[in-house]
Amino acid sequence: GEDVEQSLFLSVREGDSSVINCTYTDSSSTYLYWYKQEPGAGLQLLTYIFSNMDMKQDQRLTVLLNKKDKHLSLRIADTQTGDSAIYFCAGTGGFKTIFGAGTRLFVKA
Amino acid sequence: DGGITQSPKYLFRKEGQNVTLSCEQNLNHDAMYWYRQDPGQGLRLIYYSQIVNDFQKGDIAEGYSVSREKKESFPLTVTSAQKNPTAFYLCASSGGTGALGEQYFGPGTRLTVT
Repeated sequence: GEDVEQSLFLSVREGDSSVINCTYTDSSSTYLYWYKQEPGAGLQLLTYIFSNMDMKQDQRLTVLLNKKDKHLSLRIADTQTGDSAIYFCAGTGGFKTIFGAGTRLFVKA
Repeated sequence: DGGITQSPKYLFRKEGQNVTLSCEQNLNHDAMYWYRQDPGQGLRLIYYSQIVNDFQKGDIAEGYSVSREKKESFPLTVTSAQKNPTAFYLCASSGGTGALGEQYFGPGTRLTVT
């Protein structure tokens, strides 16, 4: 079945760019998503990319999709302390959405 | 405002007791889901329901039960058969017109069983 992998931790300085990476196994996902989870809360959809796109930019967020390598990345420009959270990549596997384990982003002031 | 509510936010139970977690949505979504989140393991699917009066087991359904008698509600019962029930439980829904397939999450219930 679908598997989604992410590194567990990333630490950056405030003002730097953050890049969170994800690899997936099932190339049939129509959409690939990035969700953000703040401490003690549910997940919120941050952005998404349609599977026939290579890149999507949304303000400080840039999503890159490399379908050949099955690699998805999320770049956050000018990272702020408010960006500290867990970031999940996810893809649709049939009716279900498959989530990665989440990357915990630490932003140092 | 439309959204998903889960109650309570924190729940404490003694081992051997069944406990029911509430999930309600007013988004008019057909599909609803229950996930369990443990540190470093991401989200694992417990049960999901695509439509009223129908639900399917997810990857870790043992020791849990659900019902879907109303479109708005999808309660989860953690039974005494669940070997390690202490976790953060998240409910989600998806569907509606123009949907991307994204899921909308509730704020979660943290269950502690001692």
